Amino acid sequence: DADVTQTPRNRITKTGKRIMLECSQTKGHDRMYWYRQDPGLGLRLIYYSFDVKDINKGEISDGYSVSRQAQAKFSLSLESAIPNQTALYFCATSDPGQGVGELFFGEGSRLTVL
Amino acid sequence: AQSVTQPDIHITVSEGASLELRCNYSYGATPYLFWYVQSPGQGLQLLLKYFSGDTLVQGIKGFEAEFKRSQSSFNLRKPSVHWSDAAEYFCAVDPGSARQLTFGSGTQLTVLP
Repeated sequence: DADVTQTPRNRITKTGKRIMLECSQTKGHDRMYWYRQDPGLGLRLIYYSFDVKDINKGEISDGYSVSRQAQAKFSLSLESAIPNQTALYFCATSDPGQGVGELFFGEGSRLTVL
Repeated sequence: AQSVTQPDIHITVSEGASLELRCNYSYGATPYLFWYVQSPGQGLQLLLKYFSGDTLVQGIKGFEAEFKRSQSSFNLRKPSVHWSDAAEYFCAVDPGSARQLTFGSGTQLTVLP
């Protein structure tokens, strides 16, 4: 089983629908992140969390919200999806004890908003 | 403004040829530097990282990178490319906040037989 698991892996939805992407990890890491990948733009940080009570906005948080339900679970929500949120979304974890910025990624959730 | 630049969007090399992927950053101090690789349909995997010390760092899969402070660069190299190296490569920077990484836009590598 993967250390960082994202569900769903693929989702097609319509404009205005609420969507939740879920991430769970078995690595025991405190830090979790949500990134968005668009062609030619690399990865951009949406939200990050250093523990269940510490949630922070990233570079592109508008239109998104998150929930850290437990150390191992970090969900990303799109309250009212729009077409320009069509992208590949990655969850990642890190443990500062293993070095600054060494991220462990899930396999991604591809979201298409029609 | 602080930034990470990968000037090459797409590079094509023949199998067995050498490879160099460029990365430049614009930060006031020396940041922490990383290279990640993304194989098709996969998440990103760390290839190597630089924090301090020896400016030539070795990574997995035969890759190495050299930090050049005077050029604000951290270029990735491999002496002999294998077909399995075809992937997208991302340079990433932590300016020292230890809170988040900033990624470059990526370089897509195609390997010809």
